[in-house]
Amino acid sequence: QVHLVQSGAEVKEAGASVRISCKASGFTVTSYALHWVRQAPGQRLEWMAWINPGNGDTKSSQTFQDRVTISRDTSANTVYMEMSGLRSEDTAVYYCARNWDYAFDIWGQGTMVTVSP
Amino acid sequence: NFMLTQPHSMSESPGKTITISCTRSSGSIASSYVQWYQQRPGSAPTTLIYKNFERPSGVPDRFSGSIDISSNSASLTISGLRTEDESDYYCQSYGSGNQVFGGGTKLTVL
Repeated sequence: QVHLVQSGAEVKEAGASVRISCKASGFTVTSYALHWVRQAPGQRLEWMAWINPGNGDTKSSQTFQDRVTISRDTSANTVYMEMSGLRSEDTAVYYCARNWDYAFDIWGQGTMVTVSP
Repeated sequence: NFMLTQPHSMSESPGKTITISCTRSSGSIASSYVQWYQQRPGSAPTTLIYKNFERPSGVPDRFSGSIDISSNSASLTISGLRTEDESDYYCQSYGSGNQVFGGGTKLTVL
């Protein structure tokens, strides 16, 4: 079965960093682009960044480019998203999602990150 | 980059047909594919439509997608509305290496 399983909820203080993992099953992270999308409570989906399956290059939205780092461990078939300088407005559910044929076809279950002021 | 604008909320009765629009702010709607997602409360989104009008296996043909170049918009049409269609719906497209989501439409079926 094809799955993306993310790490558990995090509570952080403002200014701290958070690292979320996204483990793929049923496919390899070197075969599909993986993206990160977040959703603040009651708000829209917001695209953050992605990692190229072939060479591991990453690209982030301008909104996040200074604070977000995407990486991968191909031996663990896992992709990571690290965000630094957390602020209260970063409180959100963070999703990883596989991109196939232009769509996000497989999503992780989401990771709730709560940032206390 | 461009924006995708959706109506904030819509409501319709069971059995009826509804069309949710997604208007692109700049650049042609035809220049990149549009996808549509359904998101139920507390769950991750699921794909309803990809590449403007394609349906993944398992998505009922009550859901259909289209684009209209004249209005520079995409549309998701749901026919034979059911109470379980009550969800948030998002359009999505891409450009210049970025992905863009619409603001989402909350559909009420009553």
